[in-house]
Amino acid sequence: QQQVKQSPQSLIVQKGGIPIINCAYENTAFDYFPWYQQFPGKGPALLIAIRPDVSEKKEGRFTISFNKSAKQFSLHIMDSQPGDSATYFCAAYRTYSGAGSYQLTFGKGTKLSVIP
Amino acid sequence: KAGVTQTPRYLIKTRGQQVTLSCSPISGHRSVSWYQQTPGQGLQFLFEYFSETQRNKGNFPGRFSGRQFSNSRSEMNVSTLELGDSALYLCASNWDQNYGYTFGSGTRLTVV
Repeated sequence: QQQVKQSPQSLIVQKGGIPIINCAYENTAFDYFPWYQQFPGKGPALLIAIRPDVSEKKEGRFTISFNKSAKQFSLHIMDSQPGDSATYFCAAYRTYSGAGSYQLTFGKGTKLSVIP
Repeated sequence: KAGVTQTPRYLIKTRGQQVTLSCSPISGHRSVSWYQQTPGQGLQFLFEYFSETQRNKGNFPGRFSGRQFSNSRSEMNVSTLELGDSALYLCASNWDQNYGYTFGSGTRLTVV
């Protein structure tokens, strides 16, 4: 059972555009939602993360929006650059002990291409 | 500060063989997790260790096992390799109160 659904699968934007990647989760036990960026040949790198008591978080050009009632969260990349071309993964995590703890549940990923 | 180190980077094994992968976490990180990444299934959780104890295990067959040593270094073992085990195996470490997992570059395993 896929607990984190991510869309779209791929995304092409022009330089300077604002790509938006969406994720939805099912398990209300999740209480930490990170986004990872992965370049070919590398492991995922933590980009930004949010807790459900916050509706929005910004770090540089990256913004997470979080809607707890809808169980959805999204990543916005402002002023996108060709160097942002990578695969982006949303994830969900339960930080306290119990079933399903201590594991990141990932979305399937979004391959972003930023065209110069 | 050194990152998460995984060795070897690449491996080619034959069906039926076994393989051991190694992970050295960031200094001071006591939690080590393993993930399998494939194009079809994406990133899937294998298991997590903290202070030499396995705290959680994903839905993988018993052929997949792991352990953690007293210095937090971890190994995972896959026995009786199958073609479907071909994947990128990623290790991640965490301080445990800081939830930002740091991933290594992975071990690319090819089973022929």
